[in-house]
Amino acid sequence: AQTVTQSQPEMSVQEAETVTLSCTYDTSESDYYLFWYKQPPSRQMILVIRQEAYKQQNATENRFSVNFQKAAKSFSLKISDSQLGDAAMYFCALNTGNQFYFGTGTSLTVIP
Amino acid sequence: NAGVTQTPKFRILKIGQSMTLQCTQDMNHNYMYWYRQDPGMGLKLIYYSVGAGITDKGEVPNGYNVSRSTTEDFPLRLELAAPSQTSVYFCASSSRVGIKPNYGYTFGSGTRLTVV
Repeated sequence: AQTVTQSQPEMSVQEAETVTLSCTYDTSESDYYLFWYKQPPSRQMILVIRQEAYKQQNATENRFSVNFQKAAKSFSLKISDSQLGDAAMYFCALNTGNQFYFGTGTSLTVIP
Repeated sequence: NAGVTQTPKFRILKIGQSMTLQCTQDMNHNYMYWYRQDPGMGLKLIYYSVGAGITDKGEVPNGYNVSRSTTEDFPLRLELAAPSQTSVYFCASSSRVGIKPNYGYTFGSGTRLTVV
């Protein structure tokens, strides 16, 4: 069975500072993908960043980067230079085969 | 680009009523999904489809039905609504699942359903 665990229900960060959101997962598959999605109050789910398990290099998208530790099955998201618009719910997701598996989310507050 | 369109955005149902949540995508994606999002519970897969005429159950299919007569449309039917079905429902689609590279889902904007 596939599982995704986000152990931080809530996080806060000062504007312009850096924050890291944690995610661990479990799968017996060797080929899989990992994603971080952002859900602002508008409810729309927005893809933030993705990582292929077969790639060792950590993915980066502007201010967003991941720390992918395959052996530890860890996939954390780092947000640098946090902005007010980063405030949202963040979901970690694992894709194997035809399905995605989501964590329970981390609510991020950005303090001006 | 419309992407994935869900209707309605909000709905209140009485116990025992039925309704259909509509989902349409214009990206020619083969894979479509229905999820429900409960507070603090993440997203749970209800049903999914890998192409027109093909559907399969997800983690929480009871109380729901789907059909996929065209590539574009993937409606979710609720029969005999129950308070336990109060949730936010998301439709999603994807063009490349299990194939490299994987660009993930495109989500609709969600439907907030309340059953009273």
